Amino acid sequence: NAGVTQTPKFQVLKTGQSMTLQCAQDMNHEYMSWYRQDPGMGLRLIHYSVGAGITDQGEVPNGYNVSRSTTEDFPLRLLSAAPSQTSVYFCASSYQDRGETQYFGPGTRLLVL
Amino acid sequence: GENVEQHPSTLSVQEGDSAVIKCTYSDSASNYFPWYKQELGKGPQLIIDIRSNVGEKKDQRIAVTLNKTAKHFSLHITETQPEDSAVYFCAAILGGGADGLTFGKGTHLIIQP
Repeated sequence: NAGVTQTPKFQVLKTGQSMTLQCAQDMNHEYMSWYRQDPGMGLRLIHYSVGAGITDQGEVPNGYNVSRSTTEDFPLRLLSAAPSQTSVYFCASSYQDRGETQYFGPGTRLLVL
Repeated sequence: GENVEQHPSTLSVQEGDSAVIKCTYSDSASNYFPWYKQELGKGPQLIIDIRSNVGEKKDQRIAVTLNKTAKHFSLHITETQPEDSAVYFCAAILGGGADGLTFGKGTHLIIQP
C-alpha cells in the first residue's frame, strides 16, 4: 500500500491564483481530513469528510473548498490564494472516524507571494 | 473555547535520560488522547494513544498517563536515544460531532549526545 499520498510537494502561488492540492489513500478509509501547520500553531483542521459525498468544515475553513466524489480522493481547493494561506498542508485518513489512528501524508508546502 | 495546551515547547535531555511532555485539555467529555511524532520534513505519525477508561498505557520505552479529574495527560519516554529527537504533538477529541482532533502546539525534543 502507498498509504496517503499528496501532490505537489511544494508550490509557489501568486496572490489571487487558484490551485488544488491532491490527496489520495489506498487503504479504503472512510474518514479523511485536511490540516494546516503553521510555526508555533500546531495542526489546525480545515475540512473533513466521513465518507464519499459528505464533507464538513473544521476550525479554519475560510478560503478553502473540498469535495469527496470517491472514497480514495479528497482534494483541497484554494479559490483565490492569499499570503495568509502560506503553510504546510497535511492530509490524513483513518478507517472510520477521528477517534482512531490518523495516517498522515507527507505534506504540501505552499508559499503564496 | 475548547483547546489543548502543551508544555514545554522545547525540551533538551541527555541521551539515556527520561523526557516528559504534558498536555491539558478543556473538555471534560474528551475520551481519546493520541500522541504524534513528527520528524523533519515528514507528516506526523501516531506513537501511542490512550482512551479515557484507562489511566496508563505503555509500549516499550514510551508511556502515556491520563488524569481525567485534573484533565491532563503526559507522554513519558525513557532511556532516550538520538532517534527520539523530533517534534511531539498531543491531541484530543473536543466537543461533539465528527470533526477532527485538536492538537497541542508541539514540543521540540532534543536529545543531547
